[in-house]
Amino acid sequence: EAGVAQSPRYKIIEKRQSVAFWCNPISGHATLYWYQQILGQGPKLLIQFQNNGVVDDSQLPKDRFSAERLKGVDSTLKIQPAKLEDSAVYLCASSLDHRTREQYFGPGTRLTVT
Amino acid sequence: AQSVTQLDSQVPVFEEAPVELRCNYSSSVSVYLFWYVQYPNQGLQLLLKYLSGSTLVKGINGFEAEFNKSQTSFHLRKPSVHISDTAEYFCAVRPGGYNKLIFGAGTRLAVHP
Repeated sequence: EAGVAQSPRYKIIEKRQSVAFWCNPISGHATLYWYQQILGQGPKLLIQFQNNGVVDDSQLPKDRFSAERLKGVDSTLKIQPAKLEDSAVYLCASSLDHRTREQYFGPGTRLTVT
Repeated sequence: AQSVTQLDSQVPVFEEAPVELRCNYSSSVSVYLFWYVQYPNQGLQLLLKYLSGSTLVKGINGFEAEFNKSQTSFHLRKPSVHISDTAEYFCAVRPGGYNKLIFGAGTRLAVHP
């Protein structure tokens, strides 16, 4: 079974630029999550999708972050414009559905904002 | 509000020695508990989980953890560590009825020869 795929693995941008990350969850998984992991901290949930609908985006900085999962499969997370404090690893995870307790994580995208 | 405290940011240990990584949580509702491991430049991998039943949970790679409700703890243990266990370990809780994982800040386990 293929795992959660993410791209790119690394990205370096200047502040005020835009960036997008892509995630392809495990086949058949209805629930998709985006986490932000700042260096030295645990992952923090940014947004959760159930199929193509948003379940929880309470911690997403909506003035600069956006995410979509148009067809209920893969997802894109965008930052526009980026700030220095957005430097982090962005992890995507998926689970079979919102009741399933186990989440499977992708390798992450390491973003550096200079 | 729920929170997770990992009491040690770094734990150095010699190979073949036992290790315990401590985790305490606060929650006003019942919780599910997890330990994840993160190797350098990789995502998180589930080590073990407590959902219900026996308070002693066994996971992969020889790790185990014990749920202590009265002390709101979920400490991770391994009787004999290997160099390959060097990684970051995260404790996480999922409050019952929610599908949100709340992570601790992590403990870096460094195994020395």
